[in-house]
Amino acid sequence: EMVMTQSPATLSVSPGERATLSCRASQSVGSNLAWYQQKPGQAPRLLIHSASTRATGIPARFSGSGSGTEFTLTISSLQSEDFAVYYCQQYNNWPPLSFGGGTKVEIK
Amino acid sequence: EVQLVESGGGLEQPGRSLRLSCAASGFTFDDYAMHWVRQAPGKGLEWVSGISWNSGSIGYADSVKGRFTIARDNAKNTLYLQMNSLRAEDTAFYYCAKGNRIAVASRFDSWGQGTLVTVSS
Repeated sequence: EMVMTQSPATLSVSPGERATLSCRASQSVGSNLAWYQQKPGQAPRLLIHSASTRATGIPARFSGSGSGTEFTLTISSLQSEDFAVYYCQQYNNWPPLSFGGGTKVEIK
Repeated sequence: EVQLVESGGGLEQPGRSLRLSCAASGFTFDDYAMHWVRQAPGKGLEWVSGISWNSGSIGYADSVKGRFTIARDNAKNTLYLQMNSLRAEDTAFYYCAKGNRIAVASRFDSWGQGTLVTVSS
């Protein structure tokens, strides 16, 4: 079974700084990887799909990179509304469609 | 605008059943796979089940296989999740999510607001 591992579990960043989040797959998923943002009390929201394509309406400060087993989500300059939990998800192999455990981005 | 509205959650005893529904609007329902994703309070996301556009392909997480059944009614633009033999560990928010294509192996483009299922005696 595919296992998705995210690191770090928590990332403390000051507003305006850059945040780099990692996601590793236990086997290759090609570019079939998505990133989601979830704020407290809200449903997740799609940020990035196909490893590097921003979803509709997502600001350019969010970027994704990687392929195969190693992926990165970068937030170039953190805004107050970006403090949230971020999940990666692979959709190359199923079942199951697996998520990483999440990275919480908190205010430093 | 895509809208996904879940219903049917609530408090149920272990071993009993619940049926969740998800009413979809704002898109051509039978052009997309649909999914259920859950999140236990304070925990991460777990894919539960997915169904292709014509119900020809269905998958389940191991944790629910044999107990939960996903179904869809394309005439009613509605997705269902029949949950039998409920366990305490099924307690979670259940989200309905739209896939990005007809096949089950998809990302989740849109999400409902979720419905809370609590399993407790």
